Amino acid sequence: GDSVTQMEGPVTLSEEAFLTINCTYTATGYPSLFWYVQYPGEGLQLLLKATKADDKGSNKGFEATYRKETTSFHLEKGSVQVSDSAVYFCALSRGANSKLTFGKGITLSVRP
Amino acid sequence: EPEVTQTPSHQVTQMGQEVILRCVPISNHLYFYWYRQILGQKVEFLVSFYNNEISEKSEIFDDQFSVERPDGSNFTLKIRSTKLEDSAMYFCATLGPETQYFGPGTRLLVL
Repeated sequence: GDSVTQMEGPVTLSEEAFLTINCTYTATGYPSLFWYVQYPGEGLQLLLKATKADDKGSNKGFEATYRKETTSFHLEKGSVQVSDSAVYFCALSRGANSKLTFGKGITLSVRP
Repeated sequence: EPEVTQTPSHQVTQMGQEVILRCVPISNHLYFYWYRQILGQKVEFLVSFYNNEISEKSEIFDDQFSVERPDGSNFTLKIRSTKLEDSAMYFCATLGPETQYFGPGTRLLVL
């Protein structure tokens, strides 16, 4: 069945550092790929998504590119801020109203 | 901005007791979902619900679980006889134009 694997955490960075969070997936066909973020005390929020190979999703300075050849959707940001401290989840879906299949999530802490 | 709300935020119950977790979806959203996350593990899909029927369910969603929309606004998840392994964070979600919108979750602890 479908699965999503994220790198182990937690991750601690200094403000303005470069961020990469790895995500790979196992699925047949062409799923849509997502990054969700969860701030303390809140629900999961969509950060960005990509629906086909080579698409790049971007939002709030974060980017991720749908790589079919490596089955990856790594999240990057050039300069993190303290306010980016949160839990980040990679996920995939097979259709508009289909379930989401999530990775384990990774906690990012950014120190001033 | 409209949001999904869930109650209670925390619930502690004894093994074998029934619990009902409540969700208020965003109005005019038609697809609803329940997910759970056991501590340290992945967020797992439980069930999806559309037009007052279950449209998909996972292997986790056995006879101990049920969902309903009793009054056209709330969307509930019932666990009939809780087990220790049901301890988890339970998330409700509703489908909007871009993605699923999640509530803040209910943390359930079964003792």
